[in-house]
Amino acid sequence: AQSVTQLGSHVSVSEGALVLLRCNYSSSVPPYLFWYVQYPNQGLQLLLKYTSAATLVKGINGFEAEFKKSETSFHLTKPSAHMSDAAEYFCAPWGKSTFGDGTTLTVKP
Amino acid sequence: NAGVTQTPKFQVLKTGQSMTLQCAQDMNHEYMSWYRQDPGMGLRLIHYSVGAGITDQGEVPNGYNVSRSTTEDFPLRLLSAAPSQTSVYFCASSYVVAPQETQYFGPGTRLLVL
Repeated sequence: AQSVTQLGSHVSVSEGALVLLRCNYSSSVPPYLFWYVQYPNQGLQLLLKYTSAATLVKGINGFEAEFKKSETSFHLTKPSAHMSDAAEYFCAPWGKSTFGDGTTLTVKP
Repeated sequence: NAGVTQTPKFQVLKTGQSMTLQCAQDMNHEYMSWYRQDPGMGLRLIHYSVGAGITDQGEVPNGYNVSRSTTEDFPLRLLSAAPSQTSVYFCASSYVVAPQETQYFGPGTRLLVL
C-alpha cells in the first residue's frame, strides 16, 4: 500500500485563485514529508519539507504546507496562483519510498 | 557543481536489446536512487544505494541491475529491454538517508522500447 495519497490527479484554478493540493499520509509513515514540483520535461525539485520542527512549513515560490497529525494530512497551498505554477506536484515521504501519484496543476488566465 | 547528470536524454531500443542509463553526481552524496515515472503512477523506486559497494532493491526492481563502484556514479542496466520498460527514468541523490535530507533529481532519460 502506498504510504502517501494525493487526492485529485488534476486540479485547475484561475490565475490569482487559491491553490490547494491534497496529500494524506499513512499513520505508519514517519512524520517527515516533502513536496516536490516537476515542470514540463524537467526533473523534480524540492518545494518544501516537513521535518517536525514546525507544523506550518514555508517553501519556495510562495507555497506552504501544514502538517496536521489529527488529519494525517500535509496539504500544499498558495494564496494566489500564477501562470508559472502550472506543473506536476508530488508529495513524498522521506527516504527509500515511492512518491505519490502526482497532481497536475493547470492555471487558467 | 553540475548536480545530478543523466545520459542519454532520450533512447529508443528494440525488444531484447540491452543498455545502460548513466547517472553521476558531483555533490559527494552517499545516497543515490533510480525511479521510473509512468503516467498516473507517480514515481516508483527501482533500486537504491546508500554508499559505494552497497545497493538494494526498491519497489519495482525486476528487469534492472545496478552497481555502485564509486560514490559519484550509479548506472542502471537493462539486460533485455521489454516494451513494459518504456518510461521516463530519474536518478536522484541525497547526502545521506535521513528524514531531513532533500533528494536532488537529474533531468531524466526518456526510454522507448519497441
